[in-house]
Amino acid sequence: EDQVTQSPEALRLQEGESSSLNCSYTVSGLRGLFWYRQDPGKGPEFLFTLYSAGEEKEKERLKATLTKKESFLHITAPKPEDSATYLCAVSSTSYGKLTFGQGTILTVHP
Amino acid sequence: NAGVMQNPRHLVRRRGQEARLRCSPMKGHSHVYWYRQLPEEGLKFMVYLQKENIIDESGMPKERFSAEFPKEGPSILRIQQVVRGDSAAYFCASSREAGLHTGELFFGEGSRLTVL
Repeated sequence: EDQVTQSPEALRLQEGESSSLNCSYTVSGLRGLFWYRQDPGKGPEFLFTLYSAGEEKEKERLKATLTKKESFLHITAPKPEDSATYLCAVSSTSYGKLTFGQGTILTVHP
Repeated sequence: NAGVMQNPRHLVRRRGQEARLRCSPMKGHSHVYWYRQLPEEGLKFMVYLQKENIIDESGMPKERFSAEFPKEGPSILRIQQVVRGDSAAYFCASSREAGLHTGELFFGEGSRLTVL
């Protein structure tokens, strides 16, 4: 059974204070690791897909990296609008059956 | 270009009643997924459907829950004889193709079911 564990559960940062979110996973055969952002009362919004160890992807202040056992979401110089829950998910299928972690609640204070 | 549309956004039912949740995928998308988010828990996969076919229902409870995606019209998640434990946010997602080469599922804003 695929499993995803995210840490920390909650992270409070000052605006401009860079940090990283961790996603540890076990999967029978990784077809993809995904990062989503979820705002309160909304559905998840896709950020990145990573397919193999060593892969990196960037989008604005976010950078996702992947190893054989974990992924990191690095946030550089965050702004208050980056406050959200960040979800990590994996899939061992060729379609959208994803196993999600519990998420990390990020709060960025001005 | 409208996103994934779910309705109702909020639904209140008494124990024993039926709940019907609807999902219209993005235009051009023929693959639909339903996920459930229980309070204090993460998103859990329920079912994957293509037009008129259930492809993977491994996450669906064995009783009271059913899903369909007819040739015409929205996908429907139906919960019969609801119990308090069914209270959750139900999210629908769609994709253009089955494969995860882009990895992107488009999620709706969810339907929040409360069972009294």
